[in-house]
Amino acid sequence: KAGVTQTPRYLIKTRGQQVTLSCSPISGHRSVSWYQQTPGQGLQFLFEYFSETQRNKGNFPGRFSGRQFSNSRSEMNVSTLELGDSALYLCASSLGRGKYEQFFGPGTRLTVL
Amino acid sequence: AQSVSQHNHHVILSEAASLELGCNYSYGGTVNLFWYVQYPGQHLQLLLKYFSGDPLVKGIKGFEAEFIKSKFSFNLRKPSVQWSDTAEYFCAVNAGNYQLIWGAGTKLIIKP
Repeated sequence: KAGVTQTPRYLIKTRGQQVTLSCSPISGHRSVSWYQQTPGQGLQFLFEYFSETQRNKGNFPGRFSGRQFSNSRSEMNVSTLELGDSALYLCASSLGRGKYEQFFGPGTRLTVL
Repeated sequence: AQSVSQHNHHVILSEAASLELGCNYSYGGTVNLFWYVQYPGQHLQLLLKYFSGDPLVKGIKGFEAEFIKSKFSFNLRKPSVQWSDTAEYFCAVNAGNYQLIWGAGTKLIIKP
């Protein structure tokens, strides 16, 4: 069974640009969560999608948005990039919500210059 | 606001030493508890989880964790660590609204 895939793996952008990250969950998984990981901060929850609907949102500005498609693939968009957005963005998928184990992808390393 | 605290950000041990990593959370209701591990260059993966029942849960690679409700704790233990246990360990709590709240992580270095 293929794991969670994320594209691209690495991105370099400049301040003010926007970026779109993609996540393909494990087949059959309907829940996709996004996290921002930075050294010393752990994982900060961005949002969760289930059945194409955003179910939860973390404490991030409106520049961060996402969506989920009918095949459960998800995209995350960050507009007007800031230096502080440099981080590893992780996608995790699970069969359902709550108790289900989350399976993580390798992440997209975003560097904002 | 709900939060998860991992008390040690860095831990250095010698092989065969015993390990205990602390995790405390702030939520008074029913919780689901997880420990994840990230080995160097690898994805985050589940180490063990607690939903209900026996508060002592066993996971992969000889790890175990004990849920102590009165202390709001879910500490991770291993009686004898190996060099291959070098990794970053994350505690996560799911409380009420399906969202996982994560601790800041503990970097564990095992000296051979």
